[in-house]
Amino acid sequence: AQSVTQLGSHVSVSEGALVLLRCNYSSSVPPYLFWYVQYPNQGLQLLLKYTSAATLVKGINGFEAEFKKSETSFHLTKPSAHMSDAAEYFCAVSAGNAGKSTFGDGTTLTVKP
Amino acid sequence: DTGVSQNPRHKITKRGQNVTFRCDPISEHNRLYWYRQTLGQGPEFLTYFQNEAQLEKSRLLSDRFSAERPKGSFSTLEIQRTEQGDSAMYLCASSRTQGVSSPLHFGNGTRLTVT
Repeated sequence: AQSVTQLGSHVSVSEGALVLLRCNYSSSVPPYLFWYVQYPNQGLQLLLKYTSAATLVKGINGFEAEFKKSETSFHLTKPSAHMSDAAEYFCAVSAGNAGKSTFGDGTTLTVKP
Repeated sequence: DTGVSQNPRHKITKRGQNVTFRCDPISEHNRLYWYRQTLGQGPEFLTYFQNEAQLEKSRLLSDRFSAERPKGSFSTLEIQRTEQGDSAMYLCASSRTQGVSSPLHFGNGTRLTVT
């Protein structure tokens, strides 16, 4: 069984400020972890993924995430927010053979000018 | 890579009617997934195919829902006798068979409204 908890359904930051979106996971086997971004009326796009090669993962648009096994966390960060980062962000975990992912409920990021 | 294509983008139907959605995955992807997303929630897994075989169905998928993937190419999701609770965004995704590490490539979804 696997699950994801995203802490904070809404996060608001000023343009240029640090972005931190929190994700904690639960998995009975070593997990693979993903962050996706969703813009209004669109499907989800992959930001980055953790597949055990390195604990610090760099993704597109300046985002990165760090896998911490001891904390069962995979928080998403970006040093400096841009207006175009405003969107909904989903953390997902995948384990087992099916390749299906279980998603958190998402965090809506608002960027204030 | 032309992306995952879903049709229609929007569907409004009356309660009790049947609806069918289509998904065309990325051509070299042999795994295809259907998810449902409601407002304020993340995508919920419904079912998935590897080639033409439907390998798993969620308990969320009632008897009114059926999915097919003939010849392992496009897929259809049919909902019979729609209910207002079926109103949601239905997302299709595809991936390569590379174990669990392959990310999902999503289409833009079909938004279903049942009146």
